[in-house]
Amino acid sequence: AQKVTQAQTEISVVEKEDVTLDCVYETRDTTYYLFWYKQPPSGELVFLIRRNSFDEQNEISGRYSWNFQKSTSSFNFTITASQVVDSAVYFCALRDGATNKLIFGTGTLLAVQP
Amino acid sequence: DGGITQSPKYLFRKEGQNVTLSCEQNLNHDAMYWYRQDPGQGLRLIYYSQIVNDFQKGDIAEGYSVSREKKESFPLTVTSAQKNPTAFYLCASSRQRLSGNTIYFGEGSWLTVV
Repeated sequence: AQKVTQAQTEISVVEKEDVTLDCVYETRDTTYYLFWYKQPPSGELVFLIRRNSFDEQNEISGRYSWNFQKSTSSFNFTITASQVVDSAVYFCALRDGATNKLIFGTGTLLAVQP
Repeated sequence: DGGITQSPKYLFRKEGQNVTLSCEQNLNHDAMYWYRQDPGQGLRLIYYSQIVNDFQKGDIAEGYSVSREKKESFPLTVTSAQKNPTAFYLCASSRQRLSGNTIYFGEGSWLTVV
């Protein structure tokens, strides 16, 4: 069965701290895609990154970086030098070829204090 | 600008009434989706459509109905049969329903039953 677990319900940091959001997934498929979305208070889900199961290279985009490790079924997201504008709920999601369904974790609420 | 437009942003409904949420996209995407989000939870799939005049039930379709008469439009009707309709509703689209395609979301609609 497919499942995405985001064990951290809420994280609070002070501005300029680094923070890592954890994501652990389960799937039986060998071909799958992992996603991260950001949901600010306005409600819209903003796409951040997509990673396929055959590409384990870490990715960096500005202050954001992602660590994909198939051995531990994890796809963690790190924000470096956090800012108040990073405050949002972050969702990790999984989509595999068996069902094509996008399965979401329950999200992590990140609060960045000034 | 290309994107997904949902309306209205906020909607109040009396018990026993049907209400329709609008979703329009100008991304030329074939696949469209409706998700429901409850506080502190991830997103759950209500309905999806891969092509005009075709749609399929998702995980929580009971009490909802959809239509797909045009490629760019996928309205959702919340019927009086939906026992607990108060929630945040998100419309989404992707180029196709294949797992490698990124799903993009609209800004959402808040529905409150009064």
